[in-house]
Amino acid sequence: DQKVKQVSPFLSFQEGRISILNCDYTNSMFDYFLWYKKYPAEGPTFLISISSIKDKNEDGRFTVFLNKSAKHLSLHIVPSQPGDSAVYFCAASFFSQGAQKLVFGQGTRLTINP
Amino acid sequence: NAGVTQTPKFRILKIGQSMTLQCTQDMNHNYMYWYRQDPGMGLKLIYYSVGAGITDKGEVPNGYNVSRSTTEDFPLRLELAAPSQTSVYFCASRLSGGKGEQYFGPGTRLTVT
Repeated sequence: DQKVKQVSPFLSFQEGRISILNCDYTNSMFDYFLWYKKYPAEGPTFLISISSIKDKNEDGRFTVFLNKSAKHLSLHIVPSQPGDSAVYFCAASFFSQGAQKLVFGQGTRLTINP
Repeated sequence: NAGVTQTPKFRILKIGQSMTLQCTQDMNHNYMYWYRQDPGMGLKLIYYSVGAGITDKGEVPNGYNVSRSTTEDFPLRLELAAPSQTSVYFCASRLSGGKGEQYFGPGTRLTVT
């Protein structure tokens, strides 16, 4: 069974400080892990990804860390900005029946307070 | 590039009615996907396609059908709408290879009453 879990449905952090979002998974066959950001009434937009053979990937203010032994990944946003307020989905990629697929977590609604 | 476009944006259906949700992408992506998102839940895969003429079921295919006659278009058909199909539907596409990322349309919000 391939599952991805985001245990915090809501998080809030201060503008200018670090925001940390967490995600756990159960299957070791995932090849990439991804974070998507979603604003209301829009589709999810790809934010950042990490290969399952890496432990860190950085892109500007966004860094994703992967702890394979704990089956845990986290997204760090530094510094947080009000425009970062959105729903964030963690997703894991795997290959099955001839196609790449994604399994998504439930999402975390992030609020950045001024 | 318009990316992935979906129509309509909103729709209200009565129980038992049928409709087709349209999805078009102009990025020449071979993979296309349909997801549904229920409140407080992640996206669940309904159907996917690896190229024109090839489709397969995802995690939650019951009550839906798809076709893929061209690379660009991947319509999703609801034959007998049920209240359980009230959801937001997203279409996505990607190229082969890459790092797993899929590109999403803006979604269709469907209510069945």
